Amino acid sequence: DAKTTQPPSMDCAEGRAANLPCNHSTISGNEYVYWYRQIHSQGPQYIIHGLKNNETNEMASLIITEDRKSSTLILPHATLRDTAVYYCIVREGSYSGAGSYQLTFGKGTKLSVIP
Amino acid sequence: GAVVSQHPSRVICKSGTSVKIECRSLDFQATTMFWYRQFPKQSLMLMATSNEGSKATYEQGVEKDKFLINHASLTLSTLTVTSAHPEDSSFYICSAPFPMGGPQHFGDGTRLSIL
Repeated sequence: DAKTTQPPSMDCAEGRAANLPCNHSTISGNEYVYWYRQIHSQGPQYIIHGLKNNETNEMASLIITEDRKSSTLILPHATLRDTAVYYCIVREGSYSGAGSYQLTFGKGTKLSVIP
Repeated sequence: GAVVSQHPSRVICKSGTSVKIECRSLDFQATTMFWYRQFPKQSLMLMATSNEGSKATYEQGVEKDKFLINHASLTLSTLTVTSAHPEDSSFYICSAPFPMGGPQHFGDGTRLSIL
């Protein structure tokens, strides 16, 4: 079973920031938070990941609460091309064999960016 | 650019045909690759873990004799759907992790339609 809870859908106006929440209250100390997105009929695309510090890259920012029980993915200026299903996944960070790579996908949040 | 290449992107064939799907890691070696299946309006479900130089590990409920996996080299895994039937029609996606705990990267998927 997925270890995360996300709202099933969200709308965001084009050009505005999209803030996608994720709850992961049972996260353990060595688990990272990963975000992927899947545009219709394509494979998932890696966005960002983090352990406890906030992270930023060219695609997005990841804000993780101090207790690590929830996080928010921020797309600073959403465009129509950001319309996709966004998946928040927790995964063991340290390498302990092939199983530590496994990702369990929940239902994600369907983000619709509106013109 | 893409770091995992999947081929073909779409296959339409008759019932009883066997279909081979290739997954290649580009510019990095992957001792482990993963195969997922996604039915319409559902999330990705892990089918099996492909291990270079050893047998694949299948998830519960996935028939190993029907879904043959061969991880022939450090950059190539193949999934063969043997004697495919209409219920095998789905979106098949592979992934490969960057070495030593790095994020997984996904292919663009193969849309399999069995008539």
